[in-house]
Amino acid sequence: SQQGEEDPQALSIQEGENATMNCSYKTSINNLQWYRQNSGRGLVHLILIRSNEREKHSGRLRVTLDTSKKSSSLLITASRAADTASYFCATDASGGYNKLIFGAGTRLAVHP
Amino acid sequence: SAVISQKPSRDICQRGTSLTIQCQVDSQVTMMFWYRQQPGQSLTLIATANQGSEATYESGFVIDKFPISRPNLTFSTLTVSNMSPEDSSIYLCSVEGGGARKGARHGYTFGSGTRLTVV
Repeated sequence: SQQGEEDPQALSIQEGENATMNCSYKTSINNLQWYRQNSGRGLVHLILIRSNEREKHSGRLRVTLDTSKKSSSLLITASRAADTASYFCATDASGGYNKLIFGAGTRLAVHP
Repeated sequence: SAVISQKPSRDICQRGTSLTIQCQVDSQVTMMFWYRQQPGQSLTLIATANQGSEATYESGFVIDKFPISRPNLTFSTLTVSNMSPEDSSIYLCSVEGGGARKGARHGYTFGSGTRLTVV
């Protein structure tokens, strides 16, 4: 079952612009992760933020987590055409479930 | 992180037949996860496969339709049985963390996926 919603469902921007994607979830979590998928192939892990963290950076990526609102955002700065992909958030639920539940995803298109 | 080899990468199958998808991990892992991604959709967990025990299936998925084997700590198969066009999807396997490295703090590693088309 889906954990929650992501918005926007699709995002189209120009190279050099920033892209922001949002994710909401329903249950208590150990951590929240973001993944990228190119052309319907395997997923690549981008960044993980723990439930006791509020913000995390990795290169051009910035992730925030608001556990009171059960939401997260992924910011990609200075986007490139190579960032064109689908982006998914996924939650690792607390309570010993030990499995990832994915959001609906955002399709990002970065135009040269 | 772990490296997963998933086969086949794609297949076109006749309805009523079965397809077995294989995933080989380069390190020993306790759990392996199987996901389905229907066209244009997100990933849905099918089941969790532990070595030496029956797989645990998520709501809406049953063993008769998606039998799973886990003969050792580096290998698993998922079979899609008695296929219909509705089974056309990408199927992915996944392991937690960096293979033998503990915990999801390293994220999960995914196979490259099997794109199945049922005609």
